[in-house]
Amino acid sequence: DVVLTQTPPTLSATIGQSVSISCRSSQSLLDSDGDTYLNWLLQRPGQSPQLLIYSVSNLESGVPNRFSGSGSETDFTLKISGVEAEDLGVYYCMQATHAPWTFGGGTKLELK
Amino acid sequence: QVQLKESGPVLVQASETLSLTCTVSGFSLTNYGVIWVRQPPGKGLEWMGIIWRNGNTDYNSALKSRLSINRDTSKSQVFLKMNSLQTDDTAIYYCTRDEIDYWGQGVMVTVSS
Repeated sequence: DVVLTQTPPTLSATIGQSVSISCRSSQSLLDSDGDTYLNWLLQRPGQSPQLLIYSVSNLESGVPNRFSGSGSETDFTLKISGVEAEDLGVYYCMQATHAPWTFGGGTKLELK
Repeated sequence: QVQLKESGPVLVQASETLSLTCTVSGFSLTNYGVIWVRQPPGKGLEWMGIIWRNGNTDYNSALKSRLSINRDTSKSQVFLKMNSLQTDDTAIYYCTRDEIDYWGQGVMVTVSS
């Protein structure tokens, strides 16, 4: 199974600060169809996860454009350009290229 | 609008079988797959398995021997069954559409010894 390693496990930020989260895969997530199925989700406390970014860099409808995703093959990054209070929670990367799909271990974003 | 809702027992005895239902609305199970994801208390997300739009299934390798996912397209329902439950199967169980764009609220299942 594909292992996704997220760093850091915890991230402390002030409002307005820009932060990045890394997700590294144990194997390439480039699919034979040419797409790379690496997604980012946010789980706020007490809520179900919500999709932020799909296929590396595509912003889900309704998600603020301060969120952006980049990367390829095995190395991926989620960037938040100017953290807001509503961004606090746990961020997960998830791959859907190889069955079974897998999640990263999560990165908790908290206020400094 | 698209909705998913999990239902089932909140307390199950160890060694017994868990049966959960995901009832969907706003889309057809013949057009989208449905995934089951679980989250033990205070821990991360675990992908359990998927039933694809064509009815085929894929399962988490670690759960494959205990898990089955089926559906009734006429009732817009997806079913999860997992046997030989242990206390570390205690978790919130979510269903989500295969594009992971819509999620249910989750159901907390406690396995009692």
